[in-house]
Amino acid sequence: DAKTTQPTSMDCAEGRAANLPCNHSTISGNEYVYWYRQIHSQGPQYIIHGLKNNETNEMASLIITEDRKSSTLILPHATLRDTAVYYCIVRVGNSNSGYALNFGKGTSLLVTP
Amino acid sequence: NAGVMQNPRHLVRRRGQEARLRCSPMKGHSHVYWYRQLPEEGLKFMVYLQKENIIDESGMPKERFSAEFPKEGPSILRIQQVVRGDSAAYFCATLGEGKTEAFFGQGTRLTVV
Repeated sequence: DAKTTQPTSMDCAEGRAANLPCNHSTISGNEYVYWYRQIHSQGPQYIIHGLKNNETNEMASLIITEDRKSSTLILPHATLRDTAVYYCIVRVGNSNSGYALNFGKGTSLLVTP
Repeated sequence: NAGVMQNPRHLVRRRGQEARLRCSPMKGHSHVYWYRQLPEEGLKFMVYLQKENIIDESGMPKERFSAEFPKEGPSILRIQQVVRGDSAAYFCATLGEGKTEAFFGQGTRLTVV
């Protein structure tokens, strides 16, 4: 699976949009971009995933550049409960190894009042 | 967490003892993934099991670690002769119905003293 690069940490004011970038310049055509987050000491939580089109769900939006070498996760109105480590993961959609995820160190997002 | 149950939540073992970590996915879910998270690190894939079969154990240490998922009962991750370096949070996960997202349990925090 392709490697990803994320900033170590970011701050965001409560109520503002949080934009979390991710670089995945070596992504191949059959690899999806997944986002998970881990709130302190809890198990990771799935947020969203996409292949090449932008995606939106009740939690967030995912913007993938046309060349697919980078993406941005957008939390439109961050709340204090969105403080967490956010992981950008690239993986093949249907792999013989199942759904093994390669978590890096992620971005530690701090939402401030 | 889609009903993925792990127990115990916290486990303390002395060096040389055995640790047994249990994971019960939702009824009817036959895929289990185990991950380990060392302090200040992201999660690392260990092993992927389907009922009674190990599909991918590429992330498992070669010695002292084993995993099973019997026909009846929870999946067990067993660590024999624990050492201080085994202290970590261990998470298990199962797949959602669409097999595009993973649901994680709350983890077992193993402390070796």
